[in-house]
Amino acid sequence: EAQVTQNPRYLITVTGKKLTVTCSQNMNHEYMSWYRQDPGLGLRQIYYSMNVEVTDKGDVPEGYKVSRKEKRNFPLILESPSPNQTSLYFCASSLLAGSNQPQHFGDGTRLSIL
Amino acid sequence: AQKITQTQPGMFVQEKEAVTLDCTYDTSDQSYGLFWYKQPSSGEMIFLIYQGSYDEQNATEGRYSLNFQKARKSANLVISASQLGDSAMYFCAMSPYSGGYQKVTFGIGTKLQVIP
Repeated sequence: EAQVTQNPRYLITVTGKKLTVTCSQNMNHEYMSWYRQDPGLGLRQIYYSMNVEVTDKGDVPEGYKVSRKEKRNFPLILESPSPNQTSLYFCASSLLAGSNQPQHFGDGTRLSIL
Repeated sequence: AQKITQTQPGMFVQEKEAVTLDCTYDTSDQSYGLFWYKQPSSGEMIFLIYQGSYDEQNATEGRYSLNFQKARKSANLVISASQLGDSAMYFCAMSPYSGGYQKVTFGIGTKLQVIP
């Protein structure tokens, strides 16, 4: 089954404790992206990747890191999480980095940082 | 910079009636794509419909159609014959064709509730 898989689905952690949210897709997609969703703000893009070893900042990259060492994986790293990073996070992928390509989304990861 | 505006925080529609969800956008790019996604209460994001900036005809996908008015920079979603399962959040999004970068911008969403 074609899918984008995020782990964990839920995480409660404390300020300053490094965490990684994994994202993997099995569709051989070139483009991958991370978003955070907050009430009243919609989805905001954190980072995106056009292909392996090619990443760039979205609109809200502060406090986050990403890497794209393999085509299928695009982990989101919070080196020193803070409470303002409490949010619902989505990973998404599309076949190519072209604007006519709809994105396939993972099921989301709900992070709570105390 | 790109911007998407959805001015309707919440909408109600009677079952079997049609409803229009508004979306206006702002961009300096000449070529871009516009998307609508649905997010049910279960949380997943579901792609509904796409419109390219150079497409001459409005996009349609089953009960969904996109009323694209380029000069007004609007891309409204029309849902015909509403069903109870259409109750969800709906997001408008835009992505440029530029090969140099691939930012995607979403609006804040409209919550649609279908009344029996």
